[in-house]
Amino acid sequence: EAQVTQNPRYLITVTGKKLTVTCSQNMNHEYMSWYRQDPGLGLRQIYYSMNVEVTDKGDVPEGYKVSRKEKRNFPLILESPSPNQTSLYFCASSLKSGWLNEKLFFGSGTQLSVL
Amino acid sequence: GENVEQHPSTLSVQEGDSAVIKCTYSDSASNYFPWYKQELGKRPQLIIDIRSNVGEKKDQRIAVTLNKTAKHFSLHITETQPEDSAVYFCAASRGSNYKLTFGKGTLLTVNP
Repeated sequence: EAQVTQNPRYLITVTGKKLTVTCSQNMNHEYMSWYRQDPGLGLRQIYYSMNVEVTDKGDVPEGYKVSRKEKRNFPLILESPSPNQTSLYFCASSLKSGWLNEKLFFGSGTQLSVL
Repeated sequence: GENVEQHPSTLSVQEGDSAVIKCTYSDSASNYFPWYKQELGKRPQLIIDIRSNVGEKKDQRIAVTLNKTAKHFSLHITETQPEDSAVYFCAASRGSNYKLTFGKGTLLTVNP
């Protein structure tokens, strides 16, 4: 089944403890992205990647890192989480890079709480 | 950067009525405008999109219109049904760089 898989689904952690949220897609998509969703603020882009080893900042990249060493994986790393990073996180992917945007396929989300 | 404003933030309609959600964008170079639907506790899913070379696009009960001059686009849902209840997000991007900017969302409630 074609899908974007995020893990974990729920995560509770403490301030300063490094964590990684994994994202994997099995559709051979070139483009992958991370969003955070907060009440009243909608979906805000954190980082995106147009292909392997190509990443760029979105609108709210502070406090986050990403890497794209393989086409299928795009992990989100919080080196030193803080309470203001408590949020619902979505990974998404689409087929192609280039000037034509394509449909985004979202993962099921990761609810992160930083105490 | 791009700024997308979405209105209203909440919308309540009776089943069978029409619903309209409006978005404005700031970057005149934006050329791709998708709409996503997010049901409670679920992931967002694309329901319709429009590119800047088209003024209107329809898919059964939903339609999107685009006014490039005024820099606004709208989602129209006709004959609403309870299963249309969800949060709807508009978005805009230039296409070439994939920096997709979303509006803050509209909670649509369709009352039976």
